[in-house]
Amino acid sequence: AQTVTQSQPEMSVQEAETVTLSCTYDTSESDYYLFWYKQPPSRQMILVIRQEAYKQQNATENRFSVNFQKAAKSFSLKISDSQLGDAAMYFCAYRGNYGGATNKLIFGTGTLLAVQP
Amino acid sequence: ETGVTQSPTHLIKTRGQQVTLRCSSQSGHNTVSWYQQALGQGPQFIFQYYREEENGRGNFPPRFSGLQFPNYSSELNVNALELDDSALYLCASSEKTRQDNEQFFGPGTRLTVL
Repeated sequence: AQTVTQSQPEMSVQEAETVTLSCTYDTSESDYYLFWYKQPPSRQMILVIRQEAYKQQNATENRFSVNFQKAAKSFSLKISDSQLGDAAMYFCAYRGNYGGATNKLIFGTGTLLAVQP
Repeated sequence: ETGVTQSPTHLIKTRGQQVTLRCSSQSGHNTVSWYQQALGQGPQFIFQYYREEENGRGNFPPRFSGLQFPNYSSELNVNALELDDSALYLCASSEKTRQDNEQFFGPGTRLTVL
């Protein structure tokens, strides 16, 4: 069974600084997707960034980038130039690539990010 | 904001009662997944519906059941409520034929069982 582990329950960063959130996962599959989701206090889960396992290049979305280490099964999220609006719970998630089969997401326990002004 | 809506926002029930939660999927999406998020935890997959049929289920007992309607909206029903069912229930819609199959989440329903 696949598992996702986030070992940092809480993190804090100063506004305009850079922070890295860690995530490790376990799987025996070779083809899968990894995601970072943001859940602000309003609760709606929003996709931040996605990485396809067969792509060696790390995904980037504006101020958000990932460090994907497939052999180490590590998938960290870097937030540059942190803003107050980045404060939220961040979840790392895994999904196998099964074609037409169930595309369930497997989530970690989350990292609560605080941004200090 | 995604195009996924859920109702009600909050709900309080007592042990043994039954509850129905509703989800309207984003336009163009034919798949709905339901997740349970206990306080301080990540969401746990309950089940998924595709074209009105259950298409995968997580480790939840049969008292958790669902429906999907022809317009792809969905219901989650929970019978014989237990205190541990208190959680945020999230639905997510997606388009199964898309390779990336990205899931878009609703705001959730907060269920409290007393």
